[in-house]
Amino acid sequence: AQKITQTQPGMFVQEKEAVTLDCTYDTSDQSYGLFWYKQPSSGEMIFLIYQGSYDEQNATEGRYSLNFQKARKSANLVISASQLGDSAMYFCAMREGNFGNEKLTFGTGTRLTIIP
Amino acid sequence: DVKVTQSSRYLVKRTGEKVFLECVQDMDHENMFWYRQDPGLGLRLIYFSYDVKMKEKGDIPEGYSVSREKKERFSLILESASTNQTSMYLCASSFGGAGSNQPQHFGDGTRLSIL
Repeated sequence: AQKITQTQPGMFVQEKEAVTLDCTYDTSDQSYGLFWYKQPSSGEMIFLIYQGSYDEQNATEGRYSLNFQKARKSANLVISASQLGDSAMYFCAMREGNFGNEKLTFGTGTRLTIIP
Repeated sequence: DVKVTQSSRYLVKRTGEKVFLECVQDMDHENMFWYRQDPGLGLRLIYFSYDVKMKEKGDIPEGYSVSREKKERFSLILESASTNQTSMYLCASSFGGAGSNQPQHFGDGTRLSIL
């Protein structure tokens, strides 16, 4: 079974609209962390936002927020007021288990295109 | 500023060659990782290292080896390159033992073509 599932291979969104990128995960661990990365066409992976499994509030970083629904095992990325520069691949990733396991498992990504 | 540097952005090699991909980080990170990225498959972990001279297999280690002689440098080696190793290779590093919320920082990637 996939540990991280991103069901949207591609999305087209009008500039200035809000965007929700879906991510569901599968783990039996109580302690885990969820990360979102952005990869522009230039190739570098840019860390956007982190949510810990014990965090009670949804994480926010500027225009990025994470809609964390633990019971549904969902960690969707929300981008408010989209901009042309948001066009990129977006990856959801999970770190499982306790302190000491630093490996990440990545989803297959969503290609977001912002339309002017 | 955080910096992970991969030695080449683009590399073309021939089948059967021994290929070295180099990665250097300047953040004094304990952990270093090598991934390959293929369309529709996301990033897959090849090898990682938690300390100098330590290495652990990831999900797809076959056909690869690694070397970490110094803390800041992590090399990926393709022992005998094959066409199915044509891919984008990404190096990453992170703090060790500092808590689970530490992100991995990535280099710009090396696009490797094996002819």
